[in-house]
Amino acid sequence: GQNIDQPTEMTATEGAIVQINCTYQTSGFNGLFWYQQHAGEAPTFLSYNVLDGLEEKGRFSSFLSRSKGYSYLLLKELQMKDSASYLCAVSNSNYQLIWGAGTKLIIKP
Amino acid sequence: GAVVSQHPSWVICKSGTSVKIECRSLDFQATTMFWYRQFPKQSLMLMATSNEGSKATYEQGVEKDKFLINHASLTLSTLTVTSAHPEDSSFYICSATRADTDYNEQFFGPGTRLTVL
Repeated sequence: GQNIDQPTEMTATEGAIVQINCTYQTSGFNGLFWYQQHAGEAPTFLSYNVLDGLEEKGRFSSFLSRSKGYSYLLLKELQMKDSASYLCAVSNSNYQLIWGAGTKLIIKP
Repeated sequence: GAVVSQHPSWVICKSGTSVKIECRSLDFQATTMFWYRQFPKQSLMLMATSNEGSKATYEQGVEKDKFLINHASLTLSTLTVTSAHPEDSSFYICSATRADTDYNEQFFGPGTRLTVL
């Protein structure tokens, strides 16, 4: 089967750094996406990795290791508005997105 | 940009009625459109994939006669929930891909919250 695993919930402090991990097993691999979803809203795109390594985009970075089936999203200088769910999704050999259940990130002052 | 709209943003209906949700790509032609359903505190669940002019491909467990999808043009797809029941109450989200992106990114609509009484 195909599955994506990520922690259900994480808590961090404003101004700190948090790393959200994602492991995956899919039939084929055509890239991994991270999306942010605020409660009651649709997901918004954060990052895409298809090659191993780190992609940095402002306060957010995403890392991929294809051999380990592993990715993480790193959020720096956390702000209260970063409180949201973070969804990991893998594009499989059919270019279908397989979604993780999401990690709810709670930011405390 | 790549803007996807949905209409309505929320709808309340009586059990047994049908509800139509529209998904439009406003500033691009969508090669493929996807329909998702999301229950509270759960992940996105893909319901179906549709391409303009062809029948939608439904995921296992999704009743195609209950969830009718019409993809009449490169910018419009509709999802009709027929004979809706309270268990169909959910957040329905569409997304679309465009041909000119590097990695088949899906652009999401704002979602439609359906409540069936």
